[in-house]
Amino acid sequence: QVQLQQSGAEVAKPGSSVKISCKASGYTFTSYFISWIKQTTGQGLEYIGYINTGSGGTNYSEKFKGKATLTVDKSSSTAFMQLSSLTPDDSAVYYCARGLWGFDYWGQGVMVTVSS
Amino acid sequence: DVVMTQTPVSLSLAIGQPASISCKSSQSLVHSDGKTYLSWILQRPGQSPKRLIYLVSKLDSGVPDRFSGSGSETEFTLKISRVEAEDLGVYYCWQATHFPQTFGGGTKLELK
Repeated sequence: QVQLQQSGAEVAKPGSSVKISCKASGYTFTSYFISWIKQTTGQGLEYIGYINTGSGGTNYSEKFKGKATLTVDKSSSTAFMQLSSLTPDDSAVYYCARGLWGFDYWGQGVMVTVSS
Repeated sequence: DVVMTQTPVSLSLAIGQPASISCKSSQSLVHSDGKTYLSWILQRPGQSPKRLIYLVSKLDSGVPDRFSGSGSETEFTLKISRVEAEDLGVYYCWQATHFPQTFGGGTKLELK
């Protein structure tokens, strides 16, 4: 069955970076893009961007350009998102989801807490 | 960005009652390919979102047929013919016609 298994919760200091992963299984990894979504209580769900798992091509929502960097390791069927120059506003749950527009499967989410 | 406005913000219903959630977009969601990329997801407490409906009215596999989606252009509706306990949670509409994709603010369905 299709699964997207994300890495564990992160606690980070302001100004630092974190890199979270999304390991896919149960389907051909390079047949679907991976999208990333941010969820906070205040802002709700926000779309970060996507990565073409075959070519590595990316597209970011304007708001997350310079904040998020999406990469992929085809050999391990894993997508990654690095968040840099962290501030308290980056504290959120981050989800990966399969697809460019469909999001038929979601990871379990990674809680990132930014605190000094 | 396309603004997705959901109403109501919350619903308190008894088991067996019907439910209806509205979602309005600030622009037409008809893509140049002719498809309308409007979907609905349910997030149960403590869980990640699960897609229920895509392309306005297509039910995902395993989704009970008491759920239905309808609408066009800028106005869309999710209906539940008879609410069951497992339907509780927050429902979101989202559009993928225009980049970046955007989500509605959510509708919380609670038991009365």
